[in-house]
Amino acid sequence: DIVMTQSPDSLAVSLGERATINCKSSQTVLFSSNDKSYLAWYQQRPGQPPKLLIYWASTRESGVPDRFSGSGSGTDFTLTISSLQAEDVAVYYCQQYYSTPYTFGQGTKLEIK
Amino acid sequence: QVQLQESGPGLVKPSETLSLTCTVSGGSISSYYWSWIRQPPGKGLEWIGYIYNSGSTNYNPSLKSRVTISVDTSKNQFSLRLSSVTAADTAVYYCARNWNFDLWGRGTLVTVSS
Repeated sequence: DIVMTQSPDSLAVSLGERATINCKSSQTVLFSSNDKSYLAWYQQRPGQPPKLLIYWASTRESGVPDRFSGSGSGTDFTLTISSLQAEDVAVYYCQQYYSTPYTFGQGTKLEIK
Repeated sequence: QVQLQESGPGLVKPSETLSLTCTVSGGSISSYYWSWIRQPPGKGLEWIGYIYNSGSTNYNPSLKSRVTISVDTSKNQFSLRLSSVTAADTAVYYCARNWNFDLWGRGTLVTVSS
């Protein structure tokens, strides 16, 4: 299984400031034939299902605000929220869909400082 | 727009079989991969398995011996059966679409208790 490890486990950021969450996979999730990293990011607010934010490591899902961006390739990835808003308080998960079993990171809890 | 809705018993006894159904509304179940994912209270996400509309399946090896996922295209539904449940199977169970889970149901809490 590919193990996904996120850092930090929790993060407190002031409103309007930048938030950065990291995700590392135990093996590459980059498919060389199409040069795509099979990595997604989700936001889960309390009491709600996860919501897809980013796929192919850096493609923003339709309707997701452009303050959310994803970067990275291979084994190291980052989710950045450029200017934190109150509604961004949530747990964020990365997930690989390169190979089964699909696996998630342990989650990063983002709070307002 | 397409919506997913999980349904099934909220309480299952230990050693019995958990059965859930996901109904796809507003669109066809065809030509997509459909997954079950679970989340124990206060914990992270675990992929259980998927089914393609052709009926081909892929299960998480950690659960493979106990899991069956099936599809009924005539009803636009797919289902999960998890046998020999224990308290460790208590979780919110979600259905979701595709490999990058772009669409989720709201989830249903299943508690395993006598």
